[in-house]
Amino acid sequence: GAVVSQHPSRVICKSGTSVKIECRSLDFQATTMFWYRQFPKQSLMLMATSNEGSKATYEQGVEKDKFLINHASLTLSTLTVTSAHPEDSSFYICSARDRHSNQPQHFGDGTRLSIL
Amino acid sequence: GEDVEQSLFLSVREGDSSVINCTYTDSSSTYLYWYKQEPGAGLQLLTYIFSNMDMKQDQRLTVLLNKKDKHLSLRIADTQTGDSAIYFCAERGGATNKLIFGTGTLLAVQP
Repeated sequence: GAVVSQHPSRVICKSGTSVKIECRSLDFQATTMFWYRQFPKQSLMLMATSNEGSKATYEQGVEKDKFLINHASLTLSTLTVTSAHPEDSSFYICSARDRHSNQPQHFGDGTRLSIL
Repeated sequence: GEDVEQSLFLSVREGDSSVINCTYTDSSSTYLYWYKQEPGAGLQLLTYIFSNMDMKQDQRLTVLLNKKDKHLSLRIADTQTGDSAIYFCAERGGATNKLIFGTGTLLAVQP
């Protein structure tokens, strides 16, 4: 079964709306979670690394004020797309790594965000 | 910087073997991974290999790693129509510990 749960799976909203996406690790603790963006027919682009209890680390070119990340617990990270515009429409995917293991990251099922 | 390349498309007939290739540049990579993505879905981990291994087999999947040439391949035996998807290789950078994904290979299985 799924070990990383991502919600919602699909969002359609008007331009200017802020949208929150949740990423939960279901049966393990994750001090680190990752947020990716995927454009159609392209690879995954790492946006930021979410660290529990501290500030997220953003990749070059990703706007911190646009994509707010909160990692308040060992099982939950949230990504908020603030004042979303059509160019923010994309597929957003999170992943998490078990803090007690060197196993690979587990990925959520992704969120399809469509801004009208 | 770190770079991971894959061929964009592969077409095979059902029952044949598929071989998807990947090249990377980071010689300090610790782990290399293969993920499968079906349309509109997230990523499913298929298999992974530690950088000091040459080969790993898991049922129909065989991963070969040539560390000298920085070349990774995924062989799928007896390919089925359900294997049609995009396959991503990824490396876990030695310096950053982040996952760097390849460009993805679309595998089309013809019945």
